[in-house]
Amino acid sequence: KQEVTQIPAALSVPEGENLVLNCSFTDSAIYNLQWFRQDPGKGLTSLLLIQSSQREQTSGRLNASLDKSSGRSTLYIAASQPGDSATYLCAVKGSGETSGSRLTFGEGTQLTVNP
Amino acid sequence: GAGVSQSPRYKVAKRGQDVALRCDPISGHVSLFWYQQALGQGPEFLTYFQNEAQLDKSGLPSDRFFAERPEGSVSTLKIQRTQQEDSAVYLCASSLNRASATQFTDTQYFGPGTRLTVL
Repeated sequence: KQEVTQIPAALSVPEGENLVLNCSFTDSAIYNLQWFRQDPGKGLTSLLLIQSSQREQTSGRLNASLDKSSGRSTLYIAASQPGDSATYLCAVKGSGETSGSRLTFGEGTQLTVNP
Repeated sequence: GAGVSQSPRYKVAKRGQDVALRCDPISGHVSLFWYQQALGQGPEFLTYFQNEAQLDKSGLPSDRFFAERPEGSVSTLKIQRTQQEDSAVYLCASSLNRASATQFTDTQYFGPGTRLTVL
């Protein structure tokens, strides 16, 4: 059974810092990996999706990398802003026929960026 | 533009009541997913539809949970005889087409969720 772990569980940084969020997964047979953002009381917003054949994806100040063989992904946020404060969730999609549809999520990293 | 919508946004039920949660996916999206998110946890998969076919329901926690998508668009998640442990946020997501390998078509887009509280 796929398990996804995110470290740290919570992170508080001053505005302007560059930061890295970590995600690890136990089964390297994945189809893709997706990073989401969740604001309190809201649904999930997709940030980046990395296919299993890719090494990284970039969107603005965000860069996500994937090392499938070691079961790891990182989300890099450059020049953090108070508006980046949210919970960041990592999710993997399996490559098997029966489990290939679902996303398996980590528990998230709660990020606070202080002005 | 129109995203995934869910109703009601909040639902309070007495233990033993039946509830029905609705999801309107993005128009034209083939795949629809239900997830359950307990407080402080990541979402957990419940069930998956491709058009009207329920292809995976292995995540439903008990036979009190039932989901349908009869016309391949709107979906309803029904919980019978609700228990306190059913209290959670129920998230619905849709994606364009599971069969395609492009990033755009594979991304799951989530609704705002329904927060269910069972007293």
